[in-house]
Order: sequence, then C-alpha cells, then structure tokens
Amino acid sequence: NAGVMQNPRHLVRRRGQEARLRCSPMKGHSHVYWYRQLPEEGLKFMVYLQKENIIDESGMPKERFSAEFPKEGPSILRIQQVVRGDSAAYFCASSPMTGEEYFGPGTRLLVL
Amino acid sequence: AQSVTQPDIHITVSEGASLELRCNYSYGATPYLFWYVQSPGQGLQLLLKYFSGDTLVQGIKGFEAEFKRSQSSFNLRKPSVHWSDAAEYFCAVGLNAGKSTFGDGTTLTVKP
Repeated sequence: NAGVMQNPRHLVRRRGQEARLRCSPMKGHSHVYWYRQLPEEGLKFMVYLQKENIIDESGMPKERFSAEFPKEGPSILRIQQVVRGDSAAYFCASSPMTGEEYFGPGTRLLVL
Repeated sequence: AQSVTQPDIHITVSEGASLELRCNYSYGATPYLFWYVQSPGQGLQLLLKYFSGDTLVQGIKGFEAEFKRSQSSFNLRKPSVHWSDAAEYFCAVGLNAGKSTFGDGTTLTVKP
C-alpha cells in the first residue's frame, strides 16, 4: 500500500506566478489535510477536505489560496500570485476515520 | 482553542544517555496525542499515539510517552539515545479525525 504521495517535491516560482501542489492520499482514505510549515516552525493546519467537499478551511489565508479534492484525482492546493512569504514546506496528510493522519513527504516551495 | 507547547527549542544529549522531550497541551477534552519525528528535508514519521487506555504508550525506535491528564502533558522518552535519533520532534494534539495542532518542535542533537 503506497503511502501519501505529493508532487512535486520541490517547486520554484517567481513572484506573481501560480503554484499547484498535488496530493494523492493513501488508498482507502477519504480525508485529506493540508499543512504549512514555515522555517523553524511547526506545522500549521490549513484546510481539511473530503471528496468534493471542503470541511474546514479555517487555516487558509483568505486570498490567493484555494484547495480542492475532486471525485477523481489528487487533491490540489493552489496558490495564485505567489509572494516570497509563501515559501515554505507544504504537507498533505490523509486519514480514514480513526483520527490518525499519515503524512506525505511534502512539497518545498521557494518563491524567488 | 487547543494549543501545544514544547518548552525546549533545542536539546543536546550524549549518545547512550536518556532523553525526555516535554509537551504540554491545552484542550477542552482528552484529545488524541501524537509524537512525530522529522529529519531534515523529510516528511513526518509517526513515533507513537495515544487515543485512550493505558497512559504509557510504546512507539517505534524504542520511544515511549506517558499521558498525564493532571499535568496536561505527554512527554516523550527514550532510555538510550542513538546518533540516528538526531532530528526534530513534534508533539501534536487532535480531535477525532485529523486537523492536528502541532507544537513548534524540539531539535535534538546527539553528541558522540
């Protein structure tokens, strides 16, 4: 059973470009979570999704950030018009209903 | 709102010495409790978790943690540290499925 997969592992963007981060949950998991880790900090919750539904987006910035988890395909975290402050590691986790999250390897975003 | 405090930003221990990493949480109920380890540039690996039952939890790599409700603590311990244990350690709390709140982490350095 493959673990949570994220791609790309590293992403470099210039200010103003769009960043698209993908997450494929573990097989059988229908809950996906996105977290952001700034340098020297812990992970901060961004959004919780189930298939075709956003359940909790209380940690998402109000502008430029969006997330989806379509019926088919991976979950996507989209950051429009990136700024240098968006540089961080973005982690995806998936879970069944048991409360234990399985984390992907993360996408390191660098905004030049 | 829940919060997690890891009072020690950085800990250095000698190889073979014992280790204790502290974690205190603030939560309205008994949460799910987790310890993760993160090596540089890597994702998070779950060391152990507490949902209910025995308050002393055994994890992987020889780690254990003890849940103390009266102190709102979930400290991580290992009797004898190995050089390969050098990494960053995160305590997290959650409720039901996912959406964990993480501490800011403790960086462990192991001296030969």
